Amino acid sequence: EVVMTQSPATLSVSPGERATLSCWASQSVGSNLAWYQQKRGQPPRLLLYGASARATGIPARFGGSGSGTEFTLTISSLQSEDSAVYYCQQYNNWPPLTFGGGTKVEIK
Amino acid sequence: QVQLVQSGAEVKEPGASVKVSCKASGYSLTIHSMHWVRQAPGQSLEWMGMIYADSGDTKYSQNFQGRVTLTRDTSTNTGYMELYSLTSEDTAVYYCARDPTRTAYFDYWGQGTVVTVSS
Repeated sequence: EVVMTQSPATLSVSPGERATLSCWASQSVGSNLAWYQQKRGQPPRLLLYGASARATGIPARFGGSGSGTEFTLTISSLQSEDSAVYYCQQYNNWPPLTFGGGTKVEIK
Repeated sequence: QVQLVQSGAEVKEPGASVKVSCKASGYSLTIHSMHWVRQAPGQSLEWMGMIYADSGDTKYSQNFQGRVTLTRDTSTNTGYMELYSLTSEDTAVYYCARDPTRTAYFDYWGQGTVVTVSS
């Protein structure tokens, strides 16, 4: 099973500043990585797939990079509505599909 | 537009089983595979299994092997997840989700079904 690890657990960022979230895989997953945003009481929302491709309707301030075992989600200019928990998910080696533990982004 | 609408909250006693439905609209279950993911309170997401669009074949996480059955009714475009021998550790929100391109990430999610296991 591919173990996904996210860091930090919580990130506090001021509006307009950059937020950088990290995700590591226990073995290479190529570029087969997705990022989701989950707000309280809602299902996850797909942000990125293929490590860097934005899903339909996702603002350009969300960007992704990385391949193999190290990945980054960057929110270039944080907005108040970006307060949420962010999860990475690998879909290279499965079953099982696996998710990271999440990073909570708070607005300072 | 694509929608996944799940059945309502359930309260079950330990040892019972629960069956959650997920009605898809805006696309066909024979075109896009359906996955099931659960989230225990305050926890991350856990993949349970999937049902393939073309064949109806299933694939399950070993964590649930033998305790979960995924089915679908193509006439009503509805997927089902049945979980057996419930314990308190199965208390969670259960989601269905659509796979857009047979790549096993998820572009649309149901609203979630809360399952509470308590005596």
